Amino acid sequence: DIVMTQSPDSLAVSLGERATINCKSSQSLLYSSNNKNYLAWYQQKPGQPPKLLIYWASTREPGVPDRFSGSGSGTDFTLTISSLQAEDVAVYYCQQYYSPPTFGQGTKLGIK
Amino acid sequence: QVQLVESGGGVVQPGRSLRVSCAASGFTFGDYGMHWVRQAPGKGLEWVATISYDGSNNYYADSVKGRFTISRDNFRNTLFLQMNSLRAEDTAVYYCAKDLLDTAMVFCNWGQGTLVTVSS
Repeated sequence: DIVMTQSPDSLAVSLGERATINCKSSQSLLYSSNNKNYLAWYQQKPGQPPKLLIYWASTREPGVPDRFSGSGSGTDFTLTISSLQAEDVAVYYCQQYYSPPTFGQGTKLGIK
Repeated sequence: QVQLVESGGGVVQPGRSLRVSCAASGFTFGDYGMHWVRQAPGKGLEWVATISYDGSNNYYADSVKGRFTISRDNFRNTLFLQMNSLRAEDTAVYYCAKDLLDTAMVFCNWGQGTLVTVSS
């Protein structure tokens, strides 16, 4: 199985500031035949199911605010929230779908 | 809009069986692959099983292979997960999720989940 490791486990950011979450996979998620990275990001607020934010590493799901962006390729990926809002407090998960799906352990994002 | 409503969770003894269901609406159910993903209390997410749009292909996590069976009824717009030989470590909220495509394994819509507790 591909192991997904997120960093940090938790972070606190001031409102309006940038938040950055990293995700590293144990093998490349770049499929050479279509040049796509098989990596998604989810947001889970307390008491709610997860919500898809980004797939193919950088494609934003319709309806997701443009302050959320994904980047990276191969084994190293980043989720960036450009200007943190109060409603962004949540746990964020990366997930690979290059092989049987696996998730990162989650990063808890709070307000400083 | 897409709606997924799970049901059938509860408390079950180790070694026993349980079937959970997911009623889907708001989209053409038979056009999409569907999944079960679980989350143990206070823990992260674990993919459990996937079924293709027409039910012809199924995929399972190693942790449930041989014990769990995913199925679907495209006439009733319903997804099922039959869980046999349940263990304490199967205790979790079970979410059904709709795929982005057929079996891209991207979980683009989720239900609210149903809690399964395996305990004597």
